[in-house]
Amino acid sequence: GQSLEQPSEVTAVEGAIVQINCTYQTSGFYGLSWYQQHDGGAPTFLSYNALDGLEETGRFSSFLSRSDSYGYLLLQELQMKDSASYFCAVSSNTGKLIFGQGTTLQVKP
Amino acid sequence: DADVTQTPRNRITKTGKRIMLECSQTKGHDRMYWYRQDPGLGLRLIYYSFDVKDINKGEISDGYSVSRQAQAKFSLSLESAIPNQTALYFCATSDPIYEPGQGVSSYNEQFFGPGTRLTVL
Repeated sequence: GQSLEQPSEVTAVEGAIVQINCTYQTSGFYGLSWYQQHDGGAPTFLSYNALDGLEETGRFSSFLSRSDSYGYLLLQELQMKDSASYFCAVSSNTGKLIFGQGTTLQVKP
Repeated sequence: DADVTQTPRNRITKTGKRIMLECSQTKGHDRMYWYRQDPGLGLRLIYYSFDVKDINKGEISDGYSVSRQAQAKFSLSLESAIPNQTALYFCATSDPIYEPGQGVSSYNEQFFGPGTRLTVL
């Protein structure tokens, strides 16, 4: 089967750095994606990693270790608007995305 | 204009009623998906379709059915709604990327509609 684990909640202060971890179990693994969802809104794509290493996009970076079945999303210079839920999701040879349960990030002043 | 639209945005209905949620997209994508979201449970896949003639069950298809009327339209039906189907429903689309010599890429960014909040009393 497929499963993902990520922390349910994370709290950080404005301007800080926060890391949201994701571990997964899946067969036919292709890659790991991250999505952001503001309260009640549509999830939006942040990043995708198919190969080991770090991908950087502005203040956000995403990391993947295929051998460890592990990835993380790194958010730097946190802003209040970064308060949202963050989901990791695995792509496999089925063509589907399987989502984790989400991590709620609260950014405090 | 929004690329992926869902109607209705909110719906309150009673147990036993038939409900249809509609999704339309102007992105020209072949692949479409229906998810439900419950607090603390993330997004769970109900049904998905890779083209007009293709329909597949997801993780939680019991109690639901779908229809892919055209490339741009994918409807989700609850034949006899029950209270535990109260949730936020999202439609999403994606398009496979074909890499030379490798077939379909693993990359699968999905684009989500605004969601339908369904309450079954």
